[in-house]
Amino acid sequence: SQTIHQWPATLVQPVGSPLSLECTVEGTSNPNLYWYRQAAGRGLQLLFYSVGIGQISSEVPQNLSASRPQDRQFILSSKKLLLSDSGFYLCAWTSGSVNEQFFGPGTRLTVL
Amino acid sequence: QKEVEQNSGPLSVPEGAIASLNCTYSDRGSQSFFWYRQYSGKSPELIMFIYSNGDKEDGRFTAQLNKASQYVSLLIRDSQPSDSATYLCAVTTNAGKSTFGDGTTLTVKP
Repeated sequence: SQTIHQWPATLVQPVGSPLSLECTVEGTSNPNLYWYRQAAGRGLQLLFYSVGIGQISSEVPQNLSASRPQDRQFILSSKKLLLSDSGFYLCAWTSGSVNEQFFGPGTRLTVL
Repeated sequence: QKEVEQNSGPLSVPEGAIASLNCTYSDRGSQSFFWYRQYSGKSPELIMFIYSNGDKEDGRFTAQLNKASQYVSLLIRDSQPSDSATYLCAVTTNAGKSTFGDGTTLTVKP
């Protein structure tokens, strides 16, 4: 069966510090991978998606970046965090034609 | 206008009642429609998806789609306190990207 991992689960970072969140998927190959951010009480905002190694599409201009160094690894980064980067970050995968998304446990980021 | 709109709620129903959750979308090219449940502090989990006009039933859950009206709904029969959560509607185009609504918070009172 497929499993998706995210770490860390929670993170508190000062403004201006760097960020690296990692997501890995097990039990599937060639997944489409997604990074979302969810502000409190809001829906999911798509940040990046990837259909393959090294292929990244950005949905929202921001100070975040994403990379996909391996088929089942997706990394979200920032060089300098802003207060507005606080939120619940979710990685998701999908494959095939159904487009149903399976989410990781998420990382709750607080920027102080 | 938001691409996917949901009533934010909160929607409160007594245990055993039918809960009705609604969602409208703006892109007529939308192909697939999904309902996710999200418990507080947790990640969303898929409940149902629907592609074709009409109803789709899975246990206590029924998804309804009307593409002409750009409307999709989720009915929860015999609501239980464990159904208390935020329900997210998601719409996918044939490009494979999903747009989510802000969610409706449901509370089922014992």
